[in-house]
Amino acid sequence: SQTIHQWPATLVQPVGSPLSLECTVEGTSNPNLYWYRQAAGRGLQLLFYSVGIGQISSEVPQNLSASRPQDRQFILSSKKLLLSDSGFYLCAWSPPGQINQPQHFGDGTRLSIL
Amino acid sequence: DAKTTQPNSMESNEEEPVHLPCNHSTISGTDYIHWYRQLPSQGPEYVIHGLTSNVNNRMASLAIAEDRKSSTLILHRATLRDAAVYYCILRKGSNYKLTFGKGTLLTVNP
Repeated sequence: SQTIHQWPATLVQPVGSPLSLECTVEGTSNPNLYWYRQAAGRGLQLLFYSVGIGQISSEVPQNLSASRPQDRQFILSSKKLLLSDSGFYLCAWSPPGQINQPQHFGDGTRLSIL
Repeated sequence: DAKTTQPNSMESNEEEPVHLPCNHSTISGTDYIHWYRQLPSQGPEYVIHGLTSNVNNRMASLAIAEDRKSSTLILHRATLRDAAVYYCILRKGSNYKLTFGKGTLLTVNP
């Protein structure tokens, strides 16, 4: 069966510091991968998605970037965090090749910026 | 994207059926109806999805109105573990994005 792992579960970072959140998927090949953010009191917002290694699409211009160095690895990064980057970050995957298939989410990283 | 309207909250008793409504009067012919739920401090969990016909799986049933302007998620026997925020989402067949609204907070009483 397929599993998705995200770490860390919680993170406290100072303003201006860099960020790297990692997500890996097991049990499937060439999955579609997604990064979402849920700000306090708001719905989930899609940040990036990827249909293959090195292929990244950005949904919202912002202070963050994403990379996919390996087939089942998706990384969310920032060079300098802002207060507005606080939130609950979720990675998700869906089966390859079929856009409308369900997305399966990890347990998320709760990021607090001080 | 077409919008969905859900009640802010609903309450149910354990072991009773729960009917969670969703209105989507501006739905287009290519919009699939997806339902996800989210427990506190966890990522959303896929529940069910459909296009035109009613759907059943091990978690729930999805009843879609004939004109597709509304749908109902049915939990046949609510348990305490079903207490969560339930999201009704319209998603075009060609779109990777899931757009989450505020959903319905379901409380299950023992």
